[in-house]
Amino acid sequence: DIQMTQSPSSLSASVGDRVTITCRASQVISHYLAWYQQKPGEVPKLLIYLASTLQSGVPSRFSGSGSGTDFTLTIDSLQPEDVATYYCQKYNSAPWAFGQGTRVEIK
Amino acid sequence: QVQLVQSGAEVKKPGASVKVSCKGSGYTFTGQYLHWVRQAPGQGLEWMGWINPHSGDTKYAEKFQGRVTMTRDTSITTAYMELINLRSDDAAIYYCVRDALQLSWGQGTLVSVSS
Repeated sequence: DIQMTQSPSSLSASVGDRVTITCRASQVISHYLAWYQQKPGEVPKLLIYLASTLQSGVPSRFSGSGSGTDFTLTIDSLQPEDVATYYCQKYNSAPWAFGQGTRVEIK
Repeated sequence: QVQLVQSGAEVKKPGASVKVSCKGSGYTFTGQYLHWVRQAPGQGLEWMGWINPHSGDTKYAEKFQGRVTMTRDTSITTAYMELINLRSDDAAIYYCVRDALQLSWGQGTLVSVSS
């Protein structure tokens, strides 16, 4: 089965900083990669699908890139409301797999 | 708009079973697979399996083989996930997720397991 490795597991950055989270698949998954934001007590919120397509209503400071095995989520100017845990997910075929999550905090 | 509405929270004893429902609306229920994902307290997301609402075919994660059953009732556009022989480490929020380019999630169902 394909494994998803996310890094870092946590990060602390200042408001306005550019933040980058990476996700690596153990095999090629084409571009069937999604990114989620999850705040405590909430359902994971879809930010990016098909590796780079911004979900409707998601601020444009979020962007995704990559294909094949290596993917990146970028937050261009970190805001206080972006404090959350972020997950990547491969969904090209079963079994689905998720990264272990990246906790983002404000410094 | 696409909606997945799940059944309410459950409290179960070890060894019991739980059946969670997921009602789809706003799309063709038989058109996309439905997956089940769970999240234990403070932990990450874990895929459990999928059901094809059109055919009823299923595929389960190896970890849950023999304990999980996914079914559907197309007449009421509802899918079900039943987990038997519950253990304390099955305590989690269980989500149904529509398999589409823009994945859609149910609101989650909290299952507590305690003697």
